[in-house]
Amino acid sequence: QQQVKQSPQSLIVQKGGISIINCAYENTAFDYFPWYQQFPGKGPALLIAIRPDVSEKKEGRFTISFNKSAKQFSLHIMDSQPGDSATYFCAATLVQGAQKLVFGQGTRLTINP
Amino acid sequence: DSGVTQTPKHLITATGQRVTLRCSPRSGDLSVYWYQQSLDQGLQFLIQYYNGEERAKGNILERFSAQQFPDLHSELNLSSLELGDSALYFCASSAHDGGYTFGSGTRLTVV
Repeated sequence: QQQVKQSPQSLIVQKGGISIINCAYENTAFDYFPWYQQFPGKGPALLIAIRPDVSEKKEGRFTISFNKSAKQFSLHIMDSQPGDSATYFCAATLVQGAQKLVFGQGTRLTINP
Repeated sequence: DSGVTQTPKHLITATGQRVTLRCSPRSGDLSVYWYQQSLDQGLQFLIQYYNGEERAKGNILERFSAQQFPDLHSELNLSSLELGDSALYFCASSAHDGGYTFGSGTRLTVV
């Protein structure tokens, strides 16, 4: 019930295209859903996060879509750039009580120039 | 700089040895989490401390232990090291509103 499933494992997108990564969770108590971006040899960096009381959050070229009934959320990267090439992790947690982040398996994104 | 400081950045040691990884959380954060990331793998939760007390345990081996000190910094102790322990070890800290922040990690190589 603590799992977060992420797909696809890897993704190749042309420059200027839209990158879409999907995640599904099981625990309906989760109330915080962040996405992290990680470059090789670096720590994960928070990209964007959403709470379950909204269905969409946009920050620049990055958008989270959230479907509470389906227990799914996704990351959309518009106008994908070569600099977006990285590994992306979705995560979920229950903020109350400072619970740990439960991570998806990660998606290696490659943007071809 | 994320505000979470991990030392050392790199560590090379021999099998059977013991090492200590250190983490200083972001100012004001009471929770510290340790994660292990093996090559091309995801982030595996090891253990969490909250204000000095162990809060949650994940897939942490018995050869590994951690503690959080009164000044809130944390140490992860890895003993009887094996080749398979080679990985990136990340520390993260969080505030009450969720803001989880990761350090830049310690790359451990066991030879």
